Amino acid sequence: KQEVTQIPAALSVPEGENLVLNCSFTDSAIYNLQWFRQDPGKGLTSLLLIQSSQREQTSGRLNASLDKSSGRSTLYIAASQPGDSATYLCAVRRSNDYKLSFGAGTTVTVRA
Amino acid sequence: DVKVTQSSRYLVKRTGEKVFLECVQDMDHENMFWYRQDPGLGLRLIYFSYDVKMKEKGDIPEGYSVSREKKERFSLILESASTNQTSMYLCASSLRLARNEQFFGPGTRLTVL
Repeated sequence: KQEVTQIPAALSVPEGENLVLNCSFTDSAIYNLQWFRQDPGKGLTSLLLIQSSQREQTSGRLNASLDKSSGRSTLYIAASQPGDSATYLCAVRRSNDYKLSFGAGTTVTVRA
Repeated sequence: DVKVTQSSRYLVKRTGEKVFLECVQDMDHENMFWYRQDPGLGLRLIYFSYDVKMKEKGDIPEGYSVSREKKERFSLILESASTNQTSMYLCASSLRLARNEQFFGPGTRLTVL
């Protein structure tokens, strides 16, 4: 069974600081990994999808890296803004399965 | 942009009622999913559909059924709602299994009294 862990559970930073969010998974036989953002009481917004053959993906201020052999992914958010305050979840799809295994998320607060 | 919509943002029902949650996607996606999200338990997959009239059970299908009569619409049915089905319900879709970036709807907060 794939276990996905996100540490820390919560993070508070001043505006302008770079954010580093971690995701680890126990089974390295993955198909891809997806990062999501969730605002309170809302659905999930897809941020980045990294295929197992890729090392990183970038979109604007967001950069996600993937180290499949060590079972880790990191989401970097450059120059954080108060609007980045949200919960960030990672989800992993195993190679032999269509299902996503989700982490519990990291709740980020960016202080103005 | 992919748009996934859900019929209600908030819903209050009584124990024993039959409840329908509707989800519609506008991008001709093959796959559709229903999850529930609970504090401390994260997102859990209830049911999955990979084509019209096709469905597969997820991790927690008990007490739920689904219907997919048209490609764009996936319904979650609570045959007899119970208080332990109070939750946030999230629908998602993806283009196909080989490219399964999932796009989520806004969620339905269901309260069963």
